Amino acid sequence: AQTVTQSQPEMSVQEAETVTLSCTYDTSESDYYLFWYKQPPSRQMILVIRQEAYKQQNATENRFSVNFQKAAKSFSLKISDSQLGDAAMYFCAFNFGNEKLTFGTGTRLTIIP
Amino acid sequence: KAGVTQTPRYLIKTRGQQVTLSCSPISGHRSVSWYQQTPGQGLQFLFEYFSETQRNKGNFPGRFSGRQFSNSRSEMNVSTLELGDSALYLCASTFQGTEAFFGQGTRLTVV
Repeated sequence: AQTVTQSQPEMSVQEAETVTLSCTYDTSESDYYLFWYKQPPSRQMILVIRQEAYKQQNATENRFSVNFQKAAKSFSLKISDSQLGDAAMYFCAFNFGNEKLTFGTGTRLTIIP
Repeated sequence: KAGVTQTPRYLIKTRGQQVTLSCSPISGHRSVSWYQQTPGQGLQFLFEYFSETQRNKGNFPGRFSGRQFSNSRSEMNVSTLELGDSALYLCASTFQGTEAFFGQGTRLTVV
């Protein structure tokens, strides 16, 4: 079975500081896509960043970057220079090649002004 | 380019009734997936349609069904509603198996 685990139900960070959200997964597949989604109070799921498993280089999108460790099956999200608008639920998710996304349980991120 | 549009945004139904939710994908996206989000179970995959055919199905009872039209718009139907069906239903469209783009969801409350 393919599983996704987010072990941090809640995290908080001071504005302008850096925070890292953790995610681990289990799969026997070798090729897949990994994503971080943000869900603010509006409830719309917004794509933050994506990573292809075959790529060794970690993805970066402005203040957001990932640390992808394929052998360890780890996929963490680093948010630099945290802003108040970053407050949301963050979900890591995987597409194992069949259009179905498997989500973690989410991490609620609070930004402290 | 317009995003994924879900209608209605909010819905209140009575136990035993049925409900139909609609999703219009991003233009050019042929794959549409549906997810149920609840506080207890999190985000769970319902089903996925591509070119009017159901390609994948999650572990939900037969009361949950869907379809896709030739213009890629999709509907999902829930019959004989139960209190436990109260949830946020999210639709996502995908282009060639890459990232999924989500709509704003339909909040269904069953009373």
